[in-house]
Amino acid sequence: KQEVTQIPAALSVPEGENLVLNCSFTDSAIYNLQWFRQDPGKGLTSLLLIQSSQREQTSGRLNASLDKSSGRSTLYIAASQPGDSATYLCAVTASNDYKLSFGAGTTVTVRA
Amino acid sequence: DTEVTQTPKHLVMGMTNKKSLKCEQHMGHRAMYWYKQKAKKPPELMFVYSYEKLSINESVPSRFSPECPNSSLLNLHLHALQPEDSALYLCASSPRSGYRNIQYFGAGTRLSVL
Repeated sequence: KQEVTQIPAALSVPEGENLVLNCSFTDSAIYNLQWFRQDPGKGLTSLLLIQSSQREQTSGRLNASLDKSSGRSTLYIAASQPGDSATYLCAVTASNDYKLSFGAGTTVTVRA
Repeated sequence: DTEVTQTPKHLVMGMTNKKSLKCEQHMGHRAMYWYKQKAKKPPELMFVYSYEKLSINESVPSRFSPECPNSSLLNLHLHALQPEDSALYLCASSPRSGYRNIQYFGAGTRLSVL
């Protein structure tokens, strides 16, 4: 069974600092990995999707890397802003399954 | 349009009530999902419909009954729920399974069972 772990569980940084969020998974046989953002009481917004054959994806201030062999992904958020405050979840899709296996998330607070 | 619309946004129901949650997408996606999310926990998959047929049922209690009338619409019928069923219910859709399975989520329905 795929286990997805996100460390740290919570993170508080001053505005302007770069954010580094970590995600690890136990089974490297994945199709892809997604990073989501969730605001309190709201749905999930997909930020980045990395195919298993890719090493990284970038969108604006966001960059996600994937090391499938070691079962790790990192989400970098450059020059953080208070609007980046949210919970960030990573999820992997195994094989050709529909299922997303989620981590528990990292709750980020960016202080103005 | 990359929107998944869920209604209602909030629902309060008693344990003897029957209610339904509705999810709609117009992106031409052929896979739709129901998730349950408790506070400070990740979403848990409940059901997957692929091409309007139930593809995955994660051993969810029968008091939850999904229905997919057409490729754009997914309902979740609720009956005789328990207080522990109070949660955020999320709907998602994706073009298809596997390699490019980007799931698009709705804003959710916040359910409270009294």
